[in-house]
Amino acid sequence: SQELEQSPQSLIVQEGKNLTINCTSSKTLYGLYWYKQKYGEGLIFLMMLQKGGEEKSHEKITAKLDEKKQQSSLHITASQPSHAGIYLCGAGPAGNNRKLIWGLGTSLAVNP
Amino acid sequence: DGGITQSPKYLFRKEGQNVTLSCEQNLNHDAMYWYRQDPGQGLRLIYYSQIVNDFQKGDIAEGYSVSREKKESFPLTVTSAQKNPTAFYLCASKVTGGRTNEKLFFGSGTQLSVL
Repeated sequence: SQELEQSPQSLIVQEGKNLTINCTSSKTLYGLYWYKQKYGEGLIFLMMLQKGGEEKSHEKITAKLDEKKQQSSLHITASQPSHAGIYLCGAGPAGNNRKLIWGLGTSLAVNP
Repeated sequence: DGGITQSPKYLFRKEGQNVTLSCEQNLNHDAMYWYRQDPGQGLRLIYYSQIVNDFQKGDIAEGYSVSREKKESFPLTVTSAQKNPTAFYLCASKVTGGRTNEKLFFGSGTQLSVL
């Protein structure tokens, strides 16, 4: 079965530093989602990637999907305390909602 | 503002008791989902519904039941058969059930604990 591995599991950075979170699959990804979750709260949508080589940015967050569509990265530039939280990647094959699978999440702390 | 409302935020269950978690959306979405989130584990799908009056079991449906009598509402009942119900429960919805290029909208979650 397809699984999503996220790395690192947790990350502590100093405010202003850049960081990258990875999401890797053993199989081709058809639709890759990035969400952010504050502890004890719901998931907030960040970005969705579908095409190999696709890259999207929103404010200081950039997400990329590699050409083989087996790895995605989430890059935060000049991190701020507001970026702290848990970042989750989710993916699923085309046409099948039920099979949407999720990584275990990356916990990010940003020290002021 | 449109969104998904889950209630209550915190819920406690006694031994042998059934409890119901509420999920309401005013986004006019056809598809709704229930996920369970445990520490150290990814989101696991409990039940989903792609249209009113229809729903399907997810990966961990045992000990849970749902109904979808109205488009806006998808309540989840945690029955006494669910022996390990302590978890964070998330409700989600999307516009339609048949495409993967639509994002999921999530509620704020319900933390269920056993007394």
